[in-house]
Amino acid sequence: QKEVEQNSGPLSVPEGAIASLNCTYSDRGSQSFFWYRQYSGKSPELIMFIYSNGDKEDGRFTAQLNKASQYVSLLIRDSQPSDSATYLCAVNTGGFKTIFGAGTRLFVKA
Amino acid sequence: SAVISQKPSRDICQRGTSLTIQCQVDSQVTMMFWYRQQPGQSLTLIATANQGSEATYESGFVIDKFPISRPNLTFSTLTVSNMSPEDSSIYLCSVEVLTYNEQFFGPGTRLTVL
Repeated sequence: QKEVEQNSGPLSVPEGAIASLNCTYSDRGSQSFFWYRQYSGKSPELIMFIYSNGDKEDGRFTAQLNKASQYVSLLIRDSQPSDSATYLCAVNTGGFKTIFGAGTRLFVKA
Repeated sequence: SAVISQKPSRDICQRGTSLTIQCQVDSQVTMMFWYRQQPGQSLTLIATANQGSEATYESGFVIDKFPISRPNLTFSTLTVSNMSPEDSSIYLCSVEVLTYNEQFFGPGTRLTVL
């Protein structure tokens, strides 16, 4: 069974700090990796994707991928209360098959 | 990306009835997906809808309960049939952009079954 694992949290960080969200996956053949943000009562919103080992930066967000360790992370710099949401890790395991993790709840305290 | 709309945004239905949810995309897409998300839970894939072929259902979901139509490359419907309170959930459609298999989600349909 192909799996995507995330710590459910909640992860609580003070405003201005770096929030670090982690995800592991079981299918070594996975090619594309995604981070979605979901506010309460809203649908998931794609914020980052990465497909090569290393870091990918977009504004305050950095996605990190280590295929050897089957590990994906999302760093949020200068965290803001508006970043408080559930963050879903998703992994495309080939073709049209994408598996979503259960999500990590993030709280940013003002 | 893609702009996706869903109708209805929410509904309250009686046990034993059926509800059809519509999903409209602003561009042609090959694959559309239907998910269910119960409060505080992650996404559960119901089925994958490819235009011109039968939908592919995930384990635990059957066509008689969740019939899907995909008449063209911009539209799909999901019907929740013979509803029970256990069907109360948020139903989401998504589409896949083929660059890196990114998925974009519609706003969801919040269904309550009494």
